Amino acid sequence: KNEVEQSPQNLTAQEGEFITINCSYSVGISALHWLQQHPGGGIVSLFMLSSGKKKHGRLIATINIQEKHSSLHITASHPRDSAVYICAPTRWGAQKLVFGQGTRLTINP
Amino acid sequence: EAQVTQNPRYLITVTGKKLTVTCSQNMNHEYMSWYRQDPGLGLRQIYYSMNVEVTDKGDVPEGYKVSRKEKRNFPLILESPSPNQTSLYFCASSAGQGRDTQYFGPGTRLTVL
Repeated sequence: KNEVEQSPQNLTAQEGEFITINCSYSVGISALHWLQQHPGGGIVSLFMLSSGKKKHGRLIATINIQEKHSSLHITASHPRDSAVYICAPTRWGAQKLVFGQGTRLTINP
Repeated sequence: EAQVTQNPRYLITVTGKKLTVTCSQNMNHEYMSWYRQDPGLGLRQIYYSMNVEVTDKGDVPEGYKVSRKEKRNFPLILESPSPNQTSLYFCASSAGQGRDTQYFGPGTRLTVL
């Protein structure tokens, strides 16, 4: 079983829809990263959080440490949000990132 | 502008021909890593470095070498590349380890024939 499970693996939605991507992990963590990878390949850090909730513009990330679960939400989705979103918890102790397989999001106009 | 640069961005080579992929960051970060990304396997860490002259193996180090002689540079060396090293490679840096924002380079797409 993978240490990090993301769902769904693929998601297609219409512009304007509210999007939720889920991440469950089995390891003890000290923080969790959400990354965005556009079709061109570059990876950008969206959030790093260790508790509660963070918001940047239309993006919101939440984490529940007790339940070992994090979610990434996108409000008023736009075609430019189309990308692969990767959950990456930081393993406690070793402080190494463990990567999920990614969720491929496609937003149609 | 804060950035991580990698060169080359694309490389096609042949089995056994030594190559180096360079990585440089301008943020004075102590922690740098190399990852490879393969379809269905996601991102996997190859090597990491916690500071100058301090490097350690990640999850898939076989066939790779690294060095950290200067804080800003962290080259990845493939002394005898093989086709199973065909992949997309990313360099990343951060101020600390896992509890700091990660900055990724643009990626190097390597094909070994």
